[in-house]
Amino acid sequence: DTGVSQDPRHKITKRGQNVTFRCDPISEHNRLYWYRQTLGQGPEFLTYFQNEAQLEKSRLLSDRFSAERPKGSFSTLEIQRTEQGDSAMYLCASIPGAVNTEAFFGQGTRLTVV
Amino acid sequence: AQSVTQLDSHVSVSEGTPVLLRCNYSSSYSPSLFWYVQHPNKGLQLLLKYTSAATLVKGINGFEAEFKKSETSFHLTKPSAHMSDAAEYFCVVSGGGGTSYGKLTFGQGTILTVHP
Repeated sequence: DTGVSQDPRHKITKRGQNVTFRCDPISEHNRLYWYRQTLGQGPEFLTYFQNEAQLEKSRLLSDRFSAERPKGSFSTLEIQRTEQGDSAMYLCASIPGAVNTEAFFGQGTRLTVV
Repeated sequence: AQSVTQLDSHVSVSEGTPVLLRCNYSSSYSPSLFWYVQHPNKGLQLLLKYTSAATLVKGINGFEAEFKKSETSFHLTKPSAHMSDAAEYFCVVSGGGGTSYGKLTFGQGTILTVHP
């Protein structure tokens, strides 16, 4: 257990529905990252927060995706109008403020869009 | 810009024989490099990290990696494979300067199979 928790662990949804995932980072970590991992690929960066500020978004993050981190604590990732191509593992990671420290990953939320 | 290439998508070894997982990287900055392991239905776990100190880095479970700047490589090795080492391994480079530290770029992964 890394101390980063994600909920739910699995989500099956019908195409066109909205879904929301939650990540609870290690409490003293001020940086939080979202990654997406599809089958046979390494995780790809989606977005990250420093405290409550969203500092960078990948081009992978279409306008159907939105992420928040209110009060700099937990974060949510919402996907609107899901498509089959959104099926993937969504990973959350947190790191403390220092440079060159490791990222601590949650176990991920596996999304299946049917 | 940075990138990572893992040269083998699958590696198969016998238990007790050496393991070599190959990784080349490209980075505009002096990189921080990591190896993570992912067991089925489990989260990513850090094996080891290089952050511009010693070029030979020792990690958990007997793994080590050597940073070779001239070859832009960071290969992962273990002298003797154990059945429990069977998993997927990712070579990772961390975002370099300024506010990009911590943003990770992953290789495509190498699946390690260990035969009895």
